[in-house]
Amino acid sequence: AAGVIQSPRHLIKEKRETATLKCYPIPRHDTVYWYQQGPGQDPQFLISFYEKMQSDKGSIPDRFSAQQFSDYHSELNMSSLELGDSALYFCASSSLRGMNTEAFFGQGTRLTVV
Amino acid sequence: QKEVEQNSGPLSVPEGAIASLNCTYSDRGSQSFFWYRQYSGKSPELIMSIYSNGDKEDGRFTAQLNKASQYVSLLIRDSQPSDSATYLCAVSLSNFGNEKLTFGTGTRLTIIP
Repeated sequence: AAGVIQSPRHLIKEKRETATLKCYPIPRHDTVYWYQQGPGQDPQFLISFYEKMQSDKGSIPDRFSAQQFSDYHSELNMSSLELGDSALYFCASSSLRGMNTEAFFGQGTRLTVV
Repeated sequence: QKEVEQNSGPLSVPEGAIASLNCTYSDRGSQSFFWYRQYSGKSPELIMSIYSNGDKEDGRFTAQLNKASQYVSLLIRDSQPSDSATYLCAVSLSNFGNEKLTFGTGTRLTIIP
């Protein structure tokens, strides 16, 4: 079965640079979530989109922005990168259609800021 | 106080024994409860979901939910070395698939051969 696809898998950037992370949800899933996971930490919710509209916002820095496109893929844009932004970034998708649906995670993007 | 709390571990269990993982949550409005398994450096993998009080069994895994006590647990029977991972409890305020998950800090489980 098709899963959530994230790209790139690994990214190395210098401080103050910009990074763009992409997420392609499971086909027919209409909701995308972004999470950040630091070393030894639990995943922290950043932002979510439902039907191309922002549905919820968590602890996302103002330097970060995201959107969901007409094909339901989503991009997380990160500017003025800081060393503390180094983390695993996960995208998850789910579907609003039907009760009791689950969220499935992509493989993640490991961002290293040097 | 975190919204979702798990016993911190690490938890060591002999191979073949039962591993018991616990989770409590603070928001009484929570509707959906999940257990994810995460190997080091990998993404969380959904292993169980539960929405109503009682037990739900899937193979060697049993999830238990008690909404009155705001408590959810995961039992792993016949533990295998491949079960060694961090187990994340996650809670959602919605039954529908558009509400964010709030995670606990995870319990690191080690199965001893």
